Amino acid sequence: EVQLVESGGGLVQPGGSLRLSCAASGFTFSDYYMDWVRQAPGKGLEWVGRTRNKANSHTTEYAASVKGRFTVSRDDSKNSLYLQMNSLKTEDTAVYYCVRVGATADTFDYWGQGTLVTVSS
Amino acid sequence: DIQMTQSPSSLSASLGDRVTITCRASQTISRYLNWYQQKPGKAPELLIYTASSLQSGVPSRFSGSGSGTDFTLTISSLQPEDFATYYCQQSYSSLTFGGGTKVEI
Repeated sequence: EVQLVESGGGLVQPGGSLRLSCAASGFTFSDYYMDWVRQAPGKGLEWVGRTRNKANSHTTEYAASVKGRFTVSRDDSKNSLYLQMNSLKTEDTAVYYCVRVGATADTFDYWGQGTLVTVSS
Repeated sequence: DIQMTQSPSSLSASLGDRVTITCRASQTISRYLNWYQQKPGKAPELLIYTASSLQSGVPSRFSGSGSGTDFTLTISSLQPEDFATYYCQQSYSSLTFGGGTKVEI
């Protein structure tokens, strides 16, 4: 059974930093692209960033809203995905989901339960 | 960026109703369109991929159609567990979601 479990969320002041983690199990983690998707309270879904698999050199992509501030990384030996968030803004307040990218056409086929990040003074 | 516009933003329906949700892309995206269902307090779940392919385990009352810029998600006979918010998502160029459609009783 595929499982994705996020951790690391919490309250942080504007301008601060936070690192989210996602522990994956139930599939060959190194074979898959992995993404982060967020959802502000009461709002819709927003794609945040991606790390590709080893076959694609673990390259990364980011949404314009977080580029230069957030870094997606992975450790295939630990089946883990990370999101380093720096220079946080109040508008980054959201539930952050760790998501597996399916083999077909960039579908998000498995999601974690999410972790809440609140940016507030 | 490609903008995705869903309509309506919310709708009221009854058990057994046929429900149709529309998603329009700001430019052509071929059939690179996926649909997700999200229930309150839960993560989204994949329903339909590449416009019309049913994800494994999803009931056959869900169907998708369309190509280019206009897409629809149809629920043929609304069940109690279908009351939720539905999102479309394009994967043709970068990744963007529609604003969501809340299906209420």
